[in-house]
Amino acid sequence: AQSVTQLDSQVPVFEEAPVELRCNYSSSVSVYLFWYVQYPNQGLQLLLKYLSGSTLVESINGFEAEFNKSQTSFHLRKPSVHISDTAEYFCALNSGGYQKVTFGTGTKLQVIP
Amino acid sequence: GVTQSPTHLIKTRGQQVTLRCSSQSGHNTVSWYQQALGQGPQFIFQYYREEENGRGNFPPRFSGLQFPNDSSELNVNALELDDSALYLCASSYRADNSPLHFGNGTRLTVT
Repeated sequence: AQSVTQLDSQVPVFEEAPVELRCNYSSSVSVYLFWYVQYPNQGLQLLLKYLSGSTLVESINGFEAEFNKSQTSFHLRKPSVHISDTAEYFCALNSGGYQKVTFGTGTKLQVIP
Repeated sequence: GVTQSPTHLIKTRGQQVTLRCSSQSGHNTVSWYQQALGQGPQFIFQYYREEENGRGNFPPRFSGLQFPNDSSELNVNALELDDSALYLCASSYRADNSPLHFGNGTRLTVT
């Protein structure tokens, strides 16, 4: 069985401050890891993905995530957040089979002006 | 992209509902997810080449169809109050490392 744990349900942070959203996973096999972002009243959009190779992956809007196999983590970071980053962020994994993707419960990032 | 209809729907307990989705062109797999308020999306089932290719922990009254023209449906019979949720359709290529492309969802309210 596979599972994803997002340790923080809400994270308030001041604008231009750094942020880390935590994600831990459990799987008995190799995994593919994803971060999705959901803005109010919208579906989920892919933010970044780890498939293989370099353990540090980056998105086009300044977010990055590091795959740590020994700690089974895939934390999301941004050195300086903007108001527009206010959204809910979901960590997800796919460990094979028929492409069932398991999501965490989400972390609401609230950027304070 | 992926489009879903309708955007909102209100039904009464015991009724049946059909939600529709149009996949992104070129994608051969469609998945449906249920997102209850304050929760992450839960996998309902996946269709590939018009056949169900995997199912999550949902009862048989949840069923689906995938058509050759990139469209698909989610049907729910005998609606229950707990079925109230955002239903998300996602299309992708049939590969474990293929990201999901989501529609904006259908908000279903069961009264």
